Amino acid sequence: ETGVTQTPRHLVMGMTNKKSLKCEQHLGHNAMYWYKQSAKKPLELMFVYNFKEQTENNSVPSRFSPECPNSSHLFLHLHTLQPEDSALYLCASSQPRASGTEAFFGQGTRLTVV
Amino acid sequence: SQQGEEDPQALSIQEGENATMNCSYKTSINNLQWYRQNSGRGLVHLILIRSNEREKHSGRLRVTLDTSKKSSSLLITASRAADTASYFCATGGGNKLTFGTGTQLKVEL
Repeated sequence: ETGVTQTPRHLVMGMTNKKSLKCEQHLGHNAMYWYKQSAKKPLELMFVYNFKEQTENNSVPSRFSPECPNSSHLFLHLHTLQPEDSALYLCASSQPRASGTEAFFGQGTRLTVV
Repeated sequence: SQQGEEDPQALSIQEGENATMNCSYKTSINNLQWYRQNSGRGLVHLILIRSNEREKHSGRLRVTLDTSKKSSSLLITASRAADTASYFCATGGGNKLTFGTGTQLKVEL
């Protein structure tokens, strides 16, 4: 248990559905992230939030919409996804130190788009 | 862009043997981290080595860093079946970590 909780663990959705992924941490971290992990590819950083403000959007399509209402919660709203969006979506948190610091990951949400 | 690249992509060894994984990166770094991922689960931080360090130990793990060659290695000694997982190196300043594709380690009984 890393202290970062993601729900749901598994999600199957149609291309016309709207769903949301949730991430929660109570580690006192002020930076939260969404990563996408597809088979045979490196982890892709999608979004970074520092102190609830989005500081990084790595050219993510608008069908993925993040929301960070406070430093402990992060959401990823999904709508009109494509089958190629099927992947493991990982949330992480850390302290935003310039010298680099350990990131704590959730267990991920396995998303399947049908 | 991908910063770290692990080698080999896959490694299969017998329990009790040592496992060595390598990571090469492209740009200057402040530190390099190694993470482990069990199948279909989240990543777990193993060790962080700073650019002014050459070697670091944590239990059965030994990490080396050669900034002149832009490379790092992770050695797992006396491997166990429970060490079966994917191992990733990560680089990046601040809170923007960039991961490689990982090494899949399988430790057989």
